[in-house]
Amino acid sequence: DAGITQSPRHKVTETGTPVTLRCHQTENHRYMYWYRQDPGHGLRLIHYSYGVKDTDKGEVSDGYSVSRSKTEDFLLTLESATSSQTSVYFCAISESSRGTPLAKNIQYFGAGTRLSVL
Amino acid sequence: QKEVEQDPGPLSVPEGAIVSLNCTYSNSAFQYFMWYRQYSRKGPELLMYTYSSGNKEDGRFTAQVDKSSKYISLFIRDSQPSDSATYLCAMTSNTGNQFYFGTGTSLTVIP
Repeated sequence: DAGITQSPRHKVTETGTPVTLRCHQTENHRYMYWYRQDPGHGLRLIHYSYGVKDTDKGEVSDGYSVSRSKTEDFLLTLESATSSQTSVYFCAISESSRGTPLAKNIQYFGAGTRLSVL
Repeated sequence: QKEVEQDPGPLSVPEGAIVSLNCTYSNSAFQYFMWYRQYSRKGPELLMYTYSSGNKEDGRFTAQVDKSSKYISLFIRDSQPSDSATYLCAMTSNTGNQFYFGTGTSLTVIP
């Protein structure tokens, strides 16, 4: 999984509780991403980071927050989990250096976290 | 209209068949094109990537990009049961800060 560790791998929680998912990389890549994957929707971007303390929203960011205090760690927090946030969450990393054919604008994914909100 | 369209299948083929998987896209700024393979309950695994137009071959896999038609393909020759998985296409522009994915095509190769 290209030096990406997601924790926990599985979690069951109750509606209304806060949940934090962690992504740790050993590749020193600048960009980190959080996606959720649901049947019929494919991968949808929640938030991404382009550097320490630099983050931006994705397509489905409502109800989620992120933090990146170190290059290697990207945290996803569900402030108050809801049943609609039951999903598989994937972290991805990318070098995303600009513009030449040799630049590797490609993503590598972690193994995922399976979250159930009851 | 979605940025990337991919037929979800499912696609079922006999072992040894040639498989063709396809995606279309609408954004002419896309320059990097990727194919991922995802086994059940696993993360997407990068299979191949290409830059701009043209073909790229790796063993039994060939990735093809036609930018004039905004169409990309993945061909699998001599398909094996171990190729049974969901295949996702993905693409991004030169700035490479956001990636756009197809919804995936489910492939089953029958022994």
